[in-house]
Amino acid sequence: GQNIDQPTEMTATEGAIVQINCTYQTSGFNGLFWYQQHAGEAPTFLSYNVLDGLEEKGRFSSFLSRSKGYSYLLLKELQMKDSASYLCAPMDSNYQLIWGAGTKLIIKP
Amino acid sequence: GAVVSQHPSRVICKSGTSVKIECRSLDFQATTMFWYRQFPKQSLMLMATSNEGSKATYEQGVEKDKFLINHASLTLSTLTVTSAHPEDSSFYICSASSGEIRETQYFGPGTRLLVL
Repeated sequence: GQNIDQPTEMTATEGAIVQINCTYQTSGFNGLFWYQQHAGEAPTFLSYNVLDGLEEKGRFSSFLSRSKGYSYLLLKELQMKDSASYLCAPMDSNYQLIWGAGTKLIIKP
Repeated sequence: GAVVSQHPSRVICKSGTSVKIECRSLDFQATTMFWYRQFPKQSLMLMATSNEGSKATYEQGVEKDKFLINHASLTLSTLTVTSAHPEDSSFYICSASSGEIRETQYFGPGTRLLVL
């Protein structure tokens, strides 16, 4: 079957760095997306990885290891507005995104 | 770029009525649009995938006669919840993909439906 494993909740301090890990199993693989979803709102696109390695985009970076079925999202210089759920969504061989419940990130002052 | 709008943002209706939700891609042509439903603190659940000009593909367990999807143009898709019941109350979100940007899905702001 297809599944995603992310921590349910994480807490970090404003200004710090946090890494959100994601392991996945899919039927085929066409890349992995990270989305941010604030409470009561729709997801917004953060990043896409299809090759192994690190993709950096401002304060956010995303890493992928296809052989390990592993990805992480790294958030630097945390701000209070970063409090949200972070969704790891791999794309299977049918180009369908597989969604988990995401990781709720709580930022404390 | 890649902006998707959804209307209405919130709707309250009586049980038995039908509700139409519109999803528009504002600055790109959406070859594929997706309709999701999300219950509180749960993951996104894909309901159906639609390509412009063709019938929608529904996920297992989603009643196509209850959730009517029309994708009449490359910028507009509609979801009609027919004969809505309280259990249909949920957060409905559409997303759109141009098929060119690595299949990235861009989401609309969502529609919160409450059926009384």
